[in-house]
Amino acid sequence: EAAVTQSPRSKVAVTGGKVTLSCHQTNNHDYMYWYRQDTGHGLRLIHYSYVADSTEKGDIPDGYKASRPSQENFSLILELASLSQTAVYFCASSDARTGGVSYEQYFGPGTRLTVL
Amino acid sequence: GQQVQQSPPASLVLQEGENAELQCTYSTTLNSMQWFYQRPGGRLVSLLYSPSWAEQRGGRLTSSAASNESRSSLHISSSQITDSGTYLCAIGTSGGNYKPTFGKGTSLVVHP
Repeated sequence: EAAVTQSPRSKVAVTGGKVTLSCHQTNNHDYMYWYRQDTGHGLRLIHYSYVADSTEKGDIPDGYKASRPSQENFSLILELASLSQTAVYFCASSDARTGGVSYEQYFGPGTRLTVL
Repeated sequence: GQQVQQSPPASLVLQEGENAELQCTYSTTLNSMQWFYQRPGGRLVSLLYSPSWAEQRGGRLTSSAASNESRSSLHISSSQITDSGTYLCAIGTSGGNYKPTFGKGTSLVVHP
């Protein structure tokens, strides 16, 4: 069974503060993703990475940075947290190393972030 | 950008034992399709994944896609109360890096 873990599971941050959300996978997957989920917007892609030490912008990258120091770890960084970044954040991984291999995504439990 | 619409758009209410059909329509060429289940406040649990148009089955669930209609469906047979929750589809397209696009989800409520 694929395993993706996230920390913290919930966090309260102050406006203007720095927040780091962490994700760890033990699937040996190349791809990792960060999404946010908001009522009415569904799941939206913030950043993703297909190899260590490289990240790519997703559909809503503004206000977020990402870091992929190793294949197993992927972090999402909010340098200056804002009220609008209150949401649930999900990390996912998928294996796309070999052509034709499954792109099936496996999700972590989510981090509930509240910015006050 | 890619658009993924789910229907029913909001919620589907059924009596236990009835069958459910949820649909996902998209505006691009499908390369892969994945259906997820989510309880309120919970993680997304993968139900079925297909790397192509191929039909996939798992227990009471069947996913299928109609290439000429840009539409995929999730069929739930003999619904149970525990099936209640939100169902999301994710569509992956060919070419470039893999960035699936999600629908907003459909809420399923199964009454006894």
